[in-house]
Amino acid sequence: EVQLVESGGGLAQPGGSLRLSCAGSEVTFSNSWMSWVRQAPGKGLEWVAHIKPDGSEQFYVDSVRGRVTISRDNAKQSLFLQMNSLRAEDTAVYYCVSWGTVAFWGQGTLVAVSS
Amino acid sequence: DVVLTQSPLSLPVTVGQPASISCRSSQSLAHSDGNTRLGWIQQRPGQSPRRLIYDGSKRDSGVPDRFSGSGSGTDFTLKISKVETEDVGLYYCMQYKHWPHTFGQGTKLEIK
Repeated sequence: EVQLVESGGGLAQPGGSLRLSCAGSEVTFSNSWMSWVRQAPGKGLEWVAHIKPDGSEQFYVDSVRGRVTISRDNAKQSLFLQMNSLRAEDTAVYYCVSWGTVAFWGQGTLVAVSS
Repeated sequence: DVVLTQSPLSLPVTVGQPASISCRSSQSLAHSDGNTRLGWIQQRPGQSPRRLIYDGSKRDSGVPDRFSGSGSGTDFTLKISKVETEDVGLYYCMQYKHWPHTFGQGTKLEIK
């Protein structure tokens, strides 16, 4: 079954760092724009970062720009989100998403930022 | 940022009856390639989101044909021809023409 599997979430202190990973398959990665979308507890969806199929260009929402880096390794069908200077408002479930004529969502990984 | 305003925010529906959700965008989502950069997302309770509709009206693979999307420019609609119990959940419109891509605030569909 085609799927995306996120990992790397957990509890972090304010100001700390986490690196999220997303493992996919050829079907989910090939020629696909990829994103990280987050959902704070009890809240709606927020697009965090977006990356071109070849990784040449990245886009960030203002609230994370300068603190977060999205990257990908197409040879390993992997997507990453390096998160630095974490804040309480970054607490959310982070979903890895592959966009194309078929869209795939992972199961999500929880990031909790608290002292 | 593009603001997507959904209505209603709460939608109680009887099984077998139709349902409709509106999404209004603060900017046009029409693309020069002729497509509309508007999609619809379903999130069932306790599950990951999944896309139902993209480019305004194209159904994702495996999505029942009771779901349909329509609209153009700044006004869009998701219609469910006959609601089933498995349709309970949150529905979001999303735009991917302007960065940052954005979602509507969500509409909660429940069974009466």
